[in-house]
Amino acid sequence: EVQLVESGGGLVQPGASLKLSCVASGFTFSDYWMSWVRQTPGKTMEWIGDIKYDGSYTNYAPSLKNRFTISRDNAKSTLYLQMSNVRSEDTATYYCTRRDFDYWGQGVMVTVSS
Amino acid sequence: DVVLTQTPPTLSATIGQSVSISCRSSQSLLDSDGDTYLNWLLQRPGQSPQLLIYSVSNLESGVPNRFSGSGSETDFTLKISGVEAEDLGVYYCMQATHAPLTFGSGTKLEIK
Repeated sequence: EVQLVESGGGLVQPGASLKLSCVASGFTFSDYWMSWVRQTPGKTMEWIGDIKYDGSYTNYAPSLKNRFTISRDNAKSTLYLQMSNVRSEDTATYYCTRRDFDYWGQGVMVTVSS
Repeated sequence: DVVLTQTPPTLSATIGQSVSISCRSSQSLLDSDGDTYLNWLLQRPGQSPQLLIYSVSNLESGVPNRFSGSGSETDFTLKISGVEAEDLGVYYCMQATHAPLTFGSGTKLEIK
């Protein structure tokens, strides 16, 4: 059974950094591109970016490219999202997905507030 | 960025009724490889989104065949032929032809 389990969310102050993780199981992680998507409290869905199966290439939403970094560790079957200089508008539920969007994690909430 | 406009924003249906949701794109979603990367997702209350339809009309494995997708270029439709209680939730279209990938604003399906 394919599973994607995110972690690392919580309450963070504006300007701080945060790293989310997503542990994959039930499939060969290193064969798949992976993506991050977020959903705001108002339910708007936003694509953050994706990463090639070997980690050699990444794509980002232009509005997030300078602050967010996607990486992966295939030996640990883990996808990461490094968020820096977070803002209140980054408050959202963050999902990891396979790039085909056929499997999604349960999501992890990030709240940016002082 | 590609803007996807979904209508209606909310939909109320009785069990067994057939309904359709429209998704219009601000530009053609036909890719240079010949495929059209328009997907439909359902997010049930309190759950993560799930893929229903990919590439306009392909039913994802395990999805009931009362769901169907159609369309081309800029106009797409999701049809539910005979709504069931478990179909309630928010439906999103999304495109993966043009970067950045974008989502529609959602259509909330309520059961009368």
